[in-house]
Amino acid sequence: GAGVSQTPSNKVTEKGKYVELRCDPISGHTALYWYRQSLGQGPEFLIYFQGTGAADDSGLPNDRFFAVRPEGSVSTLKIQRTERGDSAVYLCASSLTASRASNYGYTFGSGTRLTVV
Amino acid sequence: AQSVAQPEDQVNVAEGNPLTVKCTYSVSGNPYLFWYVQYPNRGLQFLLKYITGDNLVKGSYGFEAEFNKSQTSFHLKKPSALVSDSALYFCAVRDGELTGGGNKLTFGTGTQLKVEL
Repeated sequence: GAGVSQTPSNKVTEKGKYVELRCDPISGHTALYWYRQSLGQGPEFLIYFQGTGAADDSGLPNDRFFAVRPEGSVSTLKIQRTERGDSAVYLCASSLTASRASNYGYTFGSGTRLTVV
Repeated sequence: AQSVAQPEDQVNVAEGNPLTVKCTYSVSGNPYLFWYVQYPNRGLQFLLKYITGDNLVKGSYGFEAEFNKSQTSFHLKKPSALVSDSALYFCAVRDGELTGGGNKLTFGTGTQLKVEL
């Protein structure tokens, strides 16, 4: 597609429920990143995919968070047993390659605003 | 470890006046530095980057930034501000000496720029 697409744009869920957030990167981009932006904060790294594999998941806060990218394009961020502290904007970004991201930065999607009530 | 500080939560400037948004960083190796802008309900947009070369880098929408190694700073500047420049600005850094890790960025907390008539 023309840009990075994230769905849904807004998600309200009850505490304890399971949610899935979807990211559709720019066609042909092999590197995909998930970041989380809490209110009043800058984006914080969660996980990075190169192709289908998670090359770096050091930013995932705990084992309730998991992400997949089974075919090397669309990625899904999964959150189990959601807590109110998970409320944030979840941002996805992609780049042609990881090395290209160094020189040209990423292209970000508009994000999914998750609210846990 | 890598970190970024944006000391000002908000910067106010009159249209037509020069603007500066401050950023300082800390990395172990060579810094790769970026500025992103975020408009309401939209994703982060890449403005400019410094990897190597000239200390003054030029980016989108007339913005520029000056890399100062001795002061570990990368301040964003524009000679003449526009009301349409009003947005949230994020500085980000990556340690250029690190291999692997997919070029994950560490972002500052953001500076809200308000340009008034």
